[in-house]
Amino acid sequence: ETGVTQTPRHLVMGMTNKKSLKCEQHLGHNAMYWYKQSAKKPLELMFVYSLEERVENNSVPSRFSPECPNSSHLFLHLHTLQPEDSALYLCASSQKGAADTQYFGPGTRLTVL
Amino acid sequence: KQEVTQIPAALSVPEGENLVLNCSFTDSAIYNLQWFRQDPGKGLTSLLLIQSSQREQTSGRLNASLDKSSGRSTLYIAASQPGDSATYLCAVNPISSGSARQLTFGSGTQLTVLP
Repeated sequence: ETGVTQTPRHLVMGMTNKKSLKCEQHLGHNAMYWYKQSAKKPLELMFVYSLEERVENNSVPSRFSPECPNSSHLFLHLHTLQPEDSALYLCASSQKGAADTQYFGPGTRLTVL
Repeated sequence: KQEVTQIPAALSVPEGENLVLNCSFTDSAIYNLQWFRQDPGKGLTSLLLIQSSQREQTSGRLNASLDKSSGRSTLYIAASQPGDSATYLCAVNPISSGSARQLTFGSGTQLTVLP
């Protein structure tokens, strides 16, 4: 256990559904991240929340919407997804300004039908 | 734009062998480089982090080196075991990412250690 939990672990949804992924870190970190891992591709950073600053990858479609209500929780809201959005979605946290080691959760395996 | 390449993409070795995984990156302006391990369908586990001012880091049977000027890092695994079978990912933290500390990952090397 890395101290970063993600729910659900598996999710199957249709293209018209709305769902949310949840991430919680118990490490006292001040930065949280969403990554997408597709088959045969490198991990792709989607969003960063760090000390109230939000950074996003400009290539991420608007059907993905992050929310970070506090430093321990991070959500990824999903709506009208496409089959190519099927992937493993990983959450990570780190202590900004320290060694920068990122700690990853187990991921949510998303399948879009 | 920073690019990270890992060679080989897959590697199969008999148990007990020493092995080297390679990582190269195009922009030497980095804060640090990190090696991760990923088991199938799981998240990533951090193995070693090397700051840009360091040349190597060691943890148990693992040794990672960094040659920032040439844009290269190696992960050396001594006396490999079947439990080492996993995908190994290299990631750099480019200075261009600023305060956001965004990692750029390679595609990984899938290691299989045969008993």
